[in-house]
Amino acid sequence: EAEVAQSPRYKITEKSQAVAFWCDPISGHATLYWYRQILGQGPELLVQFQDESVVDDSQLPKDRFSAERLKGVDSTLKIQPAELGDSAMYLCASSEGLQGLLSYNEQFFGPGTRLTVL
Amino acid sequence: KNEVEQSPQNLTAQEGEFITINCSYSVGISALHWLQQHPGGGIVSLFMLSSGKKKHGRLIATINIQEKHSSLHITASHPRDSAVYICAVSGSNYKLTFGKGTLLTVNP
Repeated sequence: EAEVAQSPRYKITEKSQAVAFWCDPISGHATLYWYRQILGQGPELLVQFQDESVVDDSQLPKDRFSAERLKGVDSTLKIQPAELGDSAMYLCASSEGLQGLLSYNEQFFGPGTRLTVL
Repeated sequence: KNEVEQSPQNLTAQEGEFITINCSYSVGISALHWLQQHPGGGIVSLFMLSSGKKKHGRLIATINIQEKHSSLHITASHPRDSAVYICAVSGSNYKLTFGKGTLLTVNP
């Protein structure tokens, strides 16, 4: 069964260091999402891609966070420099597209990357 | 006020009990999603519904669009059902707004 892949699963880093997370969506899925989930809370959207284009990055702290999806397939989320408050689960999700049938927009989530900043 | 409210926040049940988790939302939606997250794990989509009722195994999800309310039911609960259950809604832009989740613990 097709799945969203993420790596690494766990990352421990010191503050002020750079970290990067990778996501490979389900094959053929045009829309890719990066979420941040702080312990005890629901996920919040950081950035949304449609193919290689950013659709929504209004909640992305752009002074330290960047995201790219150069070929419209896999994606990388980077934090530089990391801060203590960045400790969270970073989730990637994908869906077939943004328009059309409701099922076209069902999001499938990856296992997440748990980041701990010391 | 959060656009998506879930209740209860925490729920403890004995194996075999019937469980209900509620979700209320305050905005117009195109769909409502029920998601499951095991401790330290990723998220699994259980249901996506825009009207009526859906059933999958021991799980049942209902939605009342007029009342802006949805319920997730688990029949014959089992310890492996222990997880966080998250309600999320999507609007016309398909962006998900999440509730804070309900932590369910089912004891043997």
